[in-house]
Amino acid sequence: KQEVTQIPAALSVPEGENLVLNCSFTDSAIYNLQWFRQDPGKGLTSLLLIQSSQREQTSGRLNASLDKSSGRSTLYIAASQPGDSATYLCAVGPPKQRFGKGTKLTVNP
Amino acid sequence: NAGVTQTPKFRVLKTGQSMTLLCAQDMNHEYMYWYRQDPGMGLRLIHYSVGEGTTAKGEVPDGYNVSRLKKQNFLLGLESAAPSQTSVYFCASSYSGRALNEQFFGPGTRLTVL
Repeated sequence: KQEVTQIPAALSVPEGENLVLNCSFTDSAIYNLQWFRQDPGKGLTSLLLIQSSQREQTSGRLNASLDKSSGRSTLYIAASQPGDSATYLCAVGPPKQRFGKGTKLTVNP
Repeated sequence: NAGVTQTPKFRVLKTGQSMTLLCAQDMNHEYMYWYRQDPGMGLRLIHYSVGEGTTAKGEVPDGYNVSRLKKQNFLLGLESAAPSQTSVYFCASSYSGRALNEQFFGPGTRLTVL
């Protein structure tokens, strides 16, 4: 059974800092890994999708990497801003997508 | 495009009542999913569908039924609601399985069962 873990559960950083969020999974037989952002009381917004054959994906200040052999993915956020404050979730699959419990990020002005 | 929409946004039920949650997508996606999100438990898959007329069980299917009569709609039913079903329910859709399975989520339905 696939288990997905995100550490830390919460992270607080000052504005402008570069940071890394971690996601680990137990079964490397995945088709892709997806990172999401969730704001309080809202749905999930897709940030990046990494296919199993890829090593990383970039979008603006975000960079996600995938190492299937070690069962790990990282989400790198450059020059963090208060607007980046949210909960970040990773999910592996598909089609039975398994989610981590998320990392709650707070970026302080 | 509206993307993924969910109806209703909020609902309060009494134990034993029934209701249906509606999910609709206008992206011509084959796959659709129902999740529930609970504090400390994260997002868990209830049921999913890989195409019109097909459904499959996810991680926590008990107490729920689903139907996919039309490609664009995925219905989640609670026949006899229980307080343990108090949760936020999210619907999602994706073009296909495997590598191109980027999921798009609806805004959620907050359900309280008294």
